[in-house]
Amino acid sequence: QVQLVESGGGLVKPGGSLRLSCVASGFTFSDYSMSWFRQAPGKGLEWISYITNRDSYTDFADSVTGRFSISRDNAKNSLFLQMNGLRVDDTAVYYCARMITSTSYHWFDPWGPGTLVTVSS
Amino acid sequence: DIQLTQSPSLLSASVGDRVTITCRASQGLNTFLAWYQQKPGQAPKLLVYAASSLLSGVPSRFSGSGSGTEFTLTISSLQPEDSATYYCQQLSTYPRGFTFGPGTKVHIK
Repeated sequence: QVQLVESGGGLVKPGGSLRLSCVASGFTFSDYSMSWFRQAPGKGLEWISYITNRDSYTDFADSVTGRFSISRDNAKNSLFLQMNGLRVDDTAVYYCARMITSTSYHWFDPWGPGTLVTVSS
Repeated sequence: DIQLTQSPSLLSASVGDRVTITCRASQGLNTFLAWYQQKPGQAPKLLVYAASSLLSGVPSRFSGSGSGTEFTLTISSLQPEDSATYYCQQLSTYPRGFTFGPGTKVHIK
């Protein structure tokens, strides 16, 4: 079945770095654009990054621009989020999600179970 | 930036009740809006896309409607397993933004 699984979360000190991975299965990964989202403890959902299926276009939320980068390895069905200069307010569960496009409409399905990133001294 | 508001923020209803959640946008979205359900400790799950298209496999008691700046998610007969937080998401600013509403928590009495 279609599945996404994130990994790489953990505890990191302010200013530190972390690299998240998202492994896809059950579909042709290279056919789909992908995004990362996050959810701070007890808070709502926030989109943070997007990458097209062939790596030709990436974009970021203002809150992470210049600190985070997104990449993918289609041969390994994997999506990555490199997070540098981490701040306490980056503490959240990070989710990857597949973007589906039909005519001019887009939506995200499925989502991975998430990986928790905690930034604390 | 497009802002989304949801009302109510908390909804308490009984099994079998008809429930409606409203999502309002600060700018017109056409029908570029999706609805998600999230249960505690779980990832969001897509329910409705393009404002009114029900994802395959989602129970038919869920329905979405609206266009422009006002949208609704309706649960026609609330079930115990519908206890969750529901979020709307705008996708009109593709390929960036994808703002979410603040969520509506549905509680079963």
